[in-house]
Amino acid sequence: GAVVSQHPSWVICKSGTSVKIECRSLDFQATTMFWYRQFPKQSLMLMATSNEGSKATYEQGVEKDKFLINHASLTLSTLTVTSAHPEDSSFYICSAPSLGQGRTLHFGNGTRLTVT
Amino acid sequence: EDQVTQSPEALRLQEGESSSLNCSYTVSGLRGLFWYRQDPGKGPEFLFTLYSAGEEKEKERLKATLTKKESFLHITAPKPEDSATYLCAVEDGNAGNMLTFGGGTRLMVKP
Repeated sequence: GAVVSQHPSWVICKSGTSVKIECRSLDFQATTMFWYRQFPKQSLMLMATSNEGSKATYEQGVEKDKFLINHASLTLSTLTVTSAHPEDSSFYICSAPSLGQGRTLHFGNGTRLTVT
Repeated sequence: EDQVTQSPEALRLQEGESSSLNCSYTVSGLRGLFWYRQDPGKGPEFLFTLYSAGEEKEKERLKATLTKKESFLHITAPKPEDSATYLCAVEDGNAGNMLTFGGGTRLMVKP
């Protein structure tokens, strides 16, 4: 079945540094990918929609200059958390839709970001 | 604005004790309702997509049903390995096909 690979699975960084998270669709092409953020015991909140060949679309309240998204190819999207602060610590999850037996959104295994 | 509400927030069951999880939704143009399972520290794992009222889908001990206002995830004779958070999401065809997630139900099955 369709697989979405996310890397790294966890990262610890110091305040003020930047962190890049990669999301790859392994066996299908995705012109659109979605980035979510999840706080402990809470549901997924959509941050932005990554579009191959064009700018990402950000949800209200999400700082586009802080969360840089680049959809480099039909199988790769990256999220860079710039000048990270402790409040950016969270679980970030990417997803990509596949067109198989019906349209299904497949998720990566997430990245646990801890900013110290 | 699309809304998805899941209940209960948490559910404890004994092994073999069947139950149902609820997902109530309001959406302007339902394109699909999705059920996912999420284990701690992992991304959501796809379970089912339901497209129209009256539709039902089954997978092992799980059965999902859909009406015009809500969906149920029935768990028959659950096992401890069924313990996870179950997420419901709706796709709105009138909103760029965006998924809106409910808060999830944390299921704990005791042996």
